[in-house]
Amino acid sequence: AQSVAQPEDQVNVAEGNPLTVKCTYSVSGNPYLFWYVQYPNRGLQFLLKYITGDNLVKGSYGFEAEFNKSQTSFHLKKPSALVSDSALYFCAVRGLYGNNRLAFGKGNQVVVIP
Amino acid sequence: GAVVSQHPSRVICKSGTSVKIECRSLDFQATTMFWYRQFPKQSLMLMATSNEGSKATYEQGVEKDKFLINHASLTLSTLTVTSAHPEDSSFYICSAIRDSPYEQYFGPGTRLTVT
Repeated sequence: AQSVAQPEDQVNVAEGNPLTVKCTYSVSGNPYLFWYVQYPNRGLQFLLKYITGDNLVKGSYGFEAEFNKSQTSFHLKKPSALVSDSALYFCAVRGLYGNNRLAFGKGNQVVVIP
Repeated sequence: GAVVSQHPSRVICKSGTSVKIECRSLDFQATTMFWYRQFPKQSLMLMATSNEGSKATYEQGVEKDKFLINHASLTLSTLTVTSAHPEDSSFYICSAIRDSPYEQYFGPGTRLTVT
């Protein structure tokens, strides 16, 4: 079965500093990997995905993520965090074999301090 | 990009009544939609998979008679919370699958409060 681990509950970062949100996954076969962001009382907004190709994926709002097959990781990064990046971030994985269901991590609360 | 809408965005109902939540894919056809439940500051819990023209597939522990799902068309799925109780209060989110290219789009969510 596919699963995702987001080891930290909350990530605090000063505005302007680099932001990293960690994600590791477990899946049979090659994974489809996703990052979503959620603001309070809102649905999930798609940030980026990895399916195949270049391991470094660039997404919305200046975010990027690097797929590392050997470490089964897909960490989300942003070179310079903004206060408006404060939100809940979810990593998700879909296995290539099986249905379209996504397995979500528990989520990380990111707090960007002005 | 593709848009998924949910209606209503917020609903307050009395214990014992039923509430229907709609999920629509606005610019693509979705043979598969998912319904999730989310508790405060927690991850999304998949409740069921809604398949157009067939019965929904429920996750273990989800009462199918309490959470009725109907996927009547390729753009609409509904979730009805029957005989709602305060413990059903939650944030309900739907998503719709676009097959080609594969993408899963999420609705804005519905906040249900049962008093």
